[in-house]
Amino acid sequence: QKEVEQNSGPLSVPEGAIASLNCTYSDRVSQSFFWYRQYSGKSPELIMSIYSNGDKEDGRFTAQLNKASQYVSLLIRDSQPSDSATYLCAVNIVNNAGNMLTFGGGTRLMVKP
Amino acid sequence: DGGITQSPKYLFRKEGQNVTLSCEQNLNHDAMYWYRQDPGQGLRLIYYSQIVNDFQKGDIAEGYSVSREKKESFPLTVTSAQKNPTAFYLCASKLVAGGADTQYFGPGTRLTVL
Repeated sequence: QKEVEQNSGPLSVPEGAIASLNCTYSDRVSQSFFWYRQYSGKSPELIMSIYSNGDKEDGRFTAQLNKASQYVSLLIRDSQPSDSATYLCAVNIVNNAGNMLTFGGGTRLMVKP
Repeated sequence: DGGITQSPKYLFRKEGQNVTLSCEQNLNHDAMYWYRQDPGQGLRLIYYSQIVNDFQKGDIAEGYSVSREKKESFPLTVTSAQKNPTAFYLCASKLVAGGADTQYFGPGTRLTVL
């Protein structure tokens, strides 16, 4: 079982719709969770971090964390074609190397005009 | 103008050559990281360094080497022992003081073996 899992997609949504991206993780003691956006050929850029159960909103983005169920999600409201990118979920996981940031494989989002 | 810089943007390597990828940051971050990304895949950790003159292997360190002689710099050498080095290489850094745990990425170096 992978430590951080995401559906690779592509997830296709029409412009103006809500895009819902999901991520599950294996380490029950993880405390820090991140969403990065990566455009094709570019490096990841941080969208949001979340540390507590519940929702965290930043503009059109909402991160949701449920530690009991070990999942974190990202909602994008009023999706725009410029949101088309790969979204990487990252979780701080404790393993043999210590407390390390572990990435999921990413979900490719396509927003169609 | 603060940030993380990587050079070169594109790098071509012949079979059997060692090449060095540069990563510099002026954010006064303590920790630095090297990741490899293959097409359609997530990031895999190669090496990381929490302090100057110290570094640890990540999940896929074989065929790579690093140094951390200065806080600002964390170069990665891809040696001839790395059999499949064609990939997108990403450097990241993080401020450790105060419990900060957010990593920020440089623009990346795309390495191609000819």
